Amino acid sequence: TQLLEQSPQFLSIQEGENLTVYCNSSSVFSSLQWYRQEPGEGPVLLVTVVTGGEVKKLKRLTFQFGDARKDSSLHITAAQPGDTGLYLCARRRSPSGNTPLVFGKGTRLSVIA
Amino acid sequence: DAGITQSPRHKVTETGTPVTLRCHQTENHRYMYWYRQDPGHGLRLIHYSYGVKDTDKGEVSDGYSVSRSKTEDFLLTLESATSSQTSVYFCAISVAGTEYGYTFGSGTRLTVV
Repeated sequence: TQLLEQSPQFLSIQEGENLTVYCNSSSVFSSLQWYRQEPGEGPVLLVTVVTGGEVKKLKRLTFQFGDARKDSSLHITAAQPGDTGLYLCARRRSPSGNTPLVFGKGTRLSVIA
Repeated sequence: DAGITQSPRHKVTETGTPVTLRCHQTENHRYMYWYRQDPGHGLRLIHYSYGVKDTDKGEVSDGYSVSRSKTEDFLLTLESATSSQTSVYFCAISVAGTEYGYTFGSGTRLTVV
């Protein structure tokens, strides 16, 4: 089983603070996806990173793919209550083709106003 | 935006009864998936489909069967529901152009009593 380890499991911060969450594996990813899930809803795709060292920005969210493609991070600047949710990373079950995704257990973020 | 709906949204059923959950999509996507989400386990793949009548097992397929007789519908059946199958079930489709990222339905909360 190709495990994805996400840390921290839980994070509670004040509005306006910065934070980083992590997604790690012992094996190389072909690509990695980040999702956010709000209570009572399905996860929503935020970004896909493909190239080692790649950095993608989505407003106040910055996603980085490690140079060795074994880890990824999500940094949120000046967090807002609307950022509250479960953040999931996911990788392909196998490197080739459109194989199903394997998900990490997520980081549950709470941003307090 | 991909249209994907799950029904029912909530269901309570008794141990030993059969249950069928439905996933319906409106845009002829080839790949469809069923996951369950449980505290401490995250999202786990039950079954998936790569075309009409083409399905395969995921990591937690025991006690579940699927059918896909039309492109737009992917059905998940619990042959004889058990309390361990109490969970939130998500259907997803795989969308080309986002590195085959997923679009999820809103989920079905199933309680087996």
